[in-house]
Amino acid sequence: DAGVTQSPTHLIKTRGQQVTLRCSPKSGHDTVSWYQQALGQGPQFIFQYYEEEERQRGNFPDRFSGHQFPNYSSELNVNALLLGDSALYLCASSLSGIAGDTQYFGPGTRLTVL
Amino acid sequence: EDQVTQSPEALRLQEGESSSLNCSYTVSGLRGLFWYRQDPGKGPEFLFTLYSAGEEKEKERLKATITKKESFLHITAPKPEDSATYLCAVASSGSARQLTFGSGTQLTVLP
Repeated sequence: DAGVTQSPTHLIKTRGQQVTLRCSPKSGHDTVSWYQQALGQGPQFIFQYYEEEERQRGNFPDRFSGHQFPNYSSELNVNALLLGDSALYLCASSLSGIAGDTQYFGPGTRLTVL
Repeated sequence: EDQVTQSPEALRLQEGESSSLNCSYTVSGLRGLFWYRQDPGKGPEFLFTLYSAGEEKEKERLKATITKKESFLHITAPKPEDSATYLCAVASSGSARQLTFGSGTQLTVLP
């Protein structure tokens, strides 16, 4: 049973550039959430996608946007990169985003902004 | 606003020395409390979900318990391979679809 997969594993960008991160959910899951994890901190919620729509959003600026495709996979886009965007970006999948449902995480994408 | 506080920040144990990690939470209606294990540079690995006070879950050397204000992760006779950061997270009625995480407890088990 395939778990959550993310690509790429690592990414290096410079300030002002744009980046796209990709996620495929666990088999049978239809909901994808994105989190940002700074070093030494717990993950911070960015947003959640269900039925190709953003259903809930955390305290992140509009530079962070996303998309969900009909096959439930998802992309996270970050525009106008800042040094502070350097972090581990985690994708989590769940079933229908039911409140209290367990979210399963992928291995993450390590983004470094120079 | 949901809040999660984990203690201690770091814990060093000798192999076989049992201990407990604490997760204190404040939420507007608990929908679920989650424990994850995270190895350096990796994504969090799911351990347990607890839904209401008094519930207990067990897996190998780990046991999770919960009250109305806090949850504990008990580690019995730990081994060096249990070394990792343990994260606690909550989902609440006020923010049902997002997980709010604590900063984690970094556990080191010495042989």
